This record gives sequence, C-alpha cells and structure tokens, in this order.
Amino acid sequence: DVQMTQSLSYLAASPGESVSISCKASKSISNYLAWYQQKPGEAYKLLIYSGSTLQSGTPSRFSGSGSGTDFTLTISSLEPEDFGLYYCQQYYEKPLTFGSGTKLEIK
Amino acid sequence: EVQLVESGGGLVKPGSSLKLSCVASGFTFSGYGMHWIRQAPKRGLEWIALIYYDSTNKYYADSVKGRFTISRDNSKNTLYLEMNSLRSEDTAMYYCAKSLYGSYYYVMDAWGQGASVTVSS
Repeated sequence: DVQMTQSLSYLAASPGESVSISCKASKSISNYLAWYQQKPGEAYKLLIYSGSTLQSGTPSRFSGSGSGTDFTLTISSLEPEDFGLYYCQQYYEKPLTFGSGTKLEIK
Repeated sequence: EVQLVESGGGLVKPGSSLKLSCVASGFTFSGYGMHWIRQAPKRGLEWIALIYYDSTNKYYADSVKGRFTISRDNSKNTLYLEMNSLRSEDTAMYYCAKSLYGSYYYVMDAWGQGASVTVSS
C-alpha cells in the first residue's frame, strides 16, 4: 500500500499569514493526489484534486503543488474559517490511502 | 445541493452483523461511483469500499474483504454497506462519499456526516 505521511500533525498561524501543509507518498503517485478539509460538525470537503486543481467552490487562496512523492497545500492569507483538519489522499492505486491529517489552528 | 445521509449504525457484539445505508439527494445518484470510508477513534481515515455507478465493479480494502459487502439501489438513491463478522477493530465512524465526475472515480467530492459503529461485548 502507498503510505501517505503528513509530518506536521499540528500547525498554528494567525489570520493573514500564509501556511503550507506537506504530504509525502511512499512511492511516486504522479499527481494523483487530493486534499480534504474537515471542520468540526461539518462534512469532509474536497479542496483540491490532481495535485493542483481547485475543486469548484474552493477559495483561490488555496493552492496545491507537487508531483511524484512530495506535495504541498498552501493557504495564502489565512482566514479564520480555514481552521480545521486537512488530509491528503492518494488515488494512484488501490487501496486508496490518506495521510494522518494536519490540524490547523488559528492563533 | 448534494446530500448524503448515513443511518444504521449502533452498538453490536463481536461476530454480529450490521447494515449501513446512505441516502443520496441533490444529484443523479445512478451516474456516480460511491465509496465507504471509515475513521476509528483517534485514528486516520481508511477507505474501505467503492462501487461503480452501475454496480459492475466493486473494490474493497483487505481489512474488510470477505466480511463487508457494498451495494446500491439506484431506484432508491441508496448505498449500502453490509458488515458481517464484526470485530472490535471495526469500531469507527463510517462515511459514505460520492465520486467526483467522469474518470475521477477515486476522488470523493461529497461526504456524509457519518454513522457510528461500535463493536463491543
């Protein structure tokens, strides 16, 4: 199975700052990577797929980059509503696997 | 608006069975693949099953293969997960999710709020 590693389990930043969340695959997955956000009491939300394609409705302050084994989700100019948990997911091969999540807290 | 509503969770004993349902609305259910994903307490997300729009293909994680069955009834806009021989390690929140369009079968663009399953004696 492809292991997905999110090295940072917790991150705190202030509104207006830019943050980056990393995700590393145990083998090359090309750009078959998606990012999801979960906020308390809300359903998981797809933010980005194909490594860098914004899902409809995802604010433009979100961006995704990377290919192969290393990927980054960047949120420029943080808004208070961006707090929550962020997960990466590979879909290069089955079983589909997720990273362990990065909790973003707003200072 | 896409809505996915899971039901059927509960507390069951090891070795027993349970069937989850997920009622979909707000999109053409019969045109999309559907997934089940679970999250054990204080654990990450684990994909467990996928069914194609027309039920022609079904895929499972090794952890549930042979014990769980994914199915759907397109006439009722409903996805199912039949779980047999339940173990304590199956304790989790179970989410249904919709596949993104077209060839993006393995990306989930809408999720339900989840159904809680606890397996304990």
